[in-house]
Amino acid sequence: AQSVTQLDSQVPVFEEAPVELRCNYSSSVSVYLFWYVQYPNQGLQLLLKYLSGSTLVESINGFEAEFNKSQTSFHLRKPSVHISDTAEYFCAVSDGDSSYKLIFGSGTRLLVRP
Amino acid sequence: NAGVTQTPKFQVLKTGQSMTLQCAQDMNHEYMSWYRQDPGMGLRLIHYSVGAGITDQGEVPNGYNVSRSTTEDFPLRLLSAAPSQTSVYFCASSYSSADRSTEAFFGQGTRLTVV
Repeated sequence: AQSVTQLDSQVPVFEEAPVELRCNYSSSVSVYLFWYVQYPNQGLQLLLKYLSGSTLVESINGFEAEFNKSQTSFHLRKPSVHISDTAEYFCAVSDGDSSYKLIFGSGTRLLVRP
Repeated sequence: NAGVTQTPKFQVLKTGQSMTLQCAQDMNHEYMSWYRQDPGMGLRLIHYSVGAGITDQGEVPNGYNVSRSTTEDFPLRLLSAAPSQTSVYFCASSYSSADRSTEAFFGQGTRLTVV
């Protein structure tokens, strides 16, 4: 069965500093990868996704993630964070076309300090 | 479009009580799922449905029932609430398409406390 590991439960960082949130998944023949963001007391919103093609995917608010098949990783990065990026970030994976059956990591709380 | 709508937003139950968490989506998605979110554990799949009349168990189904009589609705029933079911519950819907784009859309969640 698939599994997702987010090693960092909390990442504190100063505003305008770069950040990397790590995500590793167990190997699978066909896998789709997602990053979701959850702001306080809200639901989950899709940040970005990897389905196929270019291994580097970007979001509209400056985040990017790179799919690395050999290392089974999908780390999330942002070169300069803002206070408004404070949230919990979840990495998720699905086997093939099973979007109804996402496997989530335990989440990483990003805390951006002024 | 409202997207995925969950009701209620908050609920307190006594041990042994039953209740139904409602979930409705207006995007005509075939797939719907229920997850529970607990601190330090991410989201775990309870039940899912790949179409009206079809449901199946996820990772943590015990104590919960579901049904899918229409494409739009996917209620989650707690038969006899237990303190271990204190959690935040999320409903999600998604679709299958030719390009296999498989994004899941989430509701705002229901925070359930069982005392």
